[in-house]
Amino acid sequence: NAGVTQTPKFRILKIGQSMTLQCTQDMNHNYMYWYRQDPGMGLKLIYYSVGAGITDKGEVPNGYNVSRSTTEDFPLRLELAAPSQTSVYFCASSYKVDYGYTFGSGTRLTVV
Amino acid sequence: KNEVEQSPQNLTAQEGEFITINCSYSVGISALHWLQQHPGGGIVSLFMLSSGKKKHGRLIATINIQEKHSSLHITASHPRDSAVYICAANSSPNTGNQFYFGTGTSLTVIP
Repeated sequence: NAGVTQTPKFRILKIGQSMTLQCTQDMNHNYMYWYRQDPGMGLKLIYYSVGAGITDKGEVPNGYNVSRSTTEDFPLRLELAAPSQTSVYFCASSYKVDYGYTFGSGTRLTVV
Repeated sequence: KNEVEQSPQNLTAQEGEFITINCSYSVGISALHWLQQHPGGGIVSLFMLSSGKKKHGRLIATINIQEKHSSLHITASHPRDSAVYICAANSSPNTGNQFYFGTGTSLTVIP
């Protein structure tokens, strides 16, 4: 049982480039989330999804897009990368809202 | 003021000591979560609780809804407990999109 798999683990982008952070879970969880973690700060919600075909903005959605075409996959797209998007990104999922959350191992992104 | 405040920010303990990490929140919640983040960065969900007390091995989490306060206790601490412990309050029972995260308590257990 792989849990939540995030790829890549590390990435360096130049300003203005685009990329997609992949997130896949094999637990049949309905709820999926993308967070970013800046140094010394708490996790901030970027986007979330309560099921396939349904996505919504979190606290800090600007500069990002998501899709949820299947229950398993919840990719996060960065268009026109900016230095302010340098952060560690975590994908998480849960079966129900107040069940335990499973986190991916994170993607460390640097925009230069 | 943050919706979730943790104390202390940093904690150093000798192996075997009893450890307490505190979390106070100012929002109405459906559940409170304790997370553990290891130096490598991975995050593990330790507890989710909405009342009372939960225990898993040497870890105990308690919550007092009236006082809006939760504690995480570690008994017989061990160097492998060294990590950042994060408190997170969920105030959105239907979608989970209103999570307020504390900034974490960095614990170092010295052998």
